[in-house]
Amino acid sequence: RKEVEQDPGPFNVPEGATVAFNCTYSNSASQSFFWYRQDCRKEPKLLMSVYSSGNEDGRFTAQLNRASQYISLLIRDSKLSDSATYLCVVTFNNDMRFGAGTRLTVKP
Amino acid sequence: DADVTQTPRNRITKTGKRIMLECSQTKGHDRMYWYRQDPGLGLRLIYYSFDVKDINKGEISDGYSVSRQAQAKFSLSLESAIPNQTALYFCATSDLPRGITGELFFGEGSRLTVL
Repeated sequence: RKEVEQDPGPFNVPEGATVAFNCTYSNSASQSFFWYRQDCRKEPKLLMSVYSSGNEDGRFTAQLNRASQYISLLIRDSKLSDSATYLCVVTFNNDMRFGAGTRLTVKP
Repeated sequence: DADVTQTPRNRITKTGKRIMLECSQTKGHDRMYWYRQDPGLGLRLIYYSFDVKDINKGEISDGYSVSRQAQAKFSLSLESAIPNQTALYFCATSDLPRGITGELFFGEGSRLTVL
């Protein structure tokens, strides 16, 4: 079993749709959680950190469920510019493990 | 100019050749990392360095070596390249331990093809 697992997609959604991604992790002692965004042929960039209480940044909402060992990312009112691969990252003792990513395509 | 710079950006080489990928950063971060990215596997850590004298193996260090020449420079070497080392390689820095976010700042990547 991979340490961090994501549905690879692709998710193809129309503009304005709401889409959600989940990511599960195997190490129950994991300490920090992040979502990164990676555009095609580009480097990953931090989208948002994920806090136990959940957090929101504009159209993006991240949630953490420690009991079930998953994090989620919700994107509301999808834009064409949201098309990218979304990487889940889980940290334990400075060891950051990446999921393989979920590809999102937002269509007109 | 990019804060984390990788050279070369693209390289095609032959099996058995020695290859060096270089990374330099202007962010003043102590921690530097080398990852490789393969389709369907995500990013995997090759080596990381918490300062000039502290170098550690990551998940997949076999076949690779690194050198931390200075705080700002971290190079990755493939002593004898093989085709399954064909991948996209990323260098990254982190603001830990002084920073609080743990965010990784990536270079633009080096695409390596081994024939």
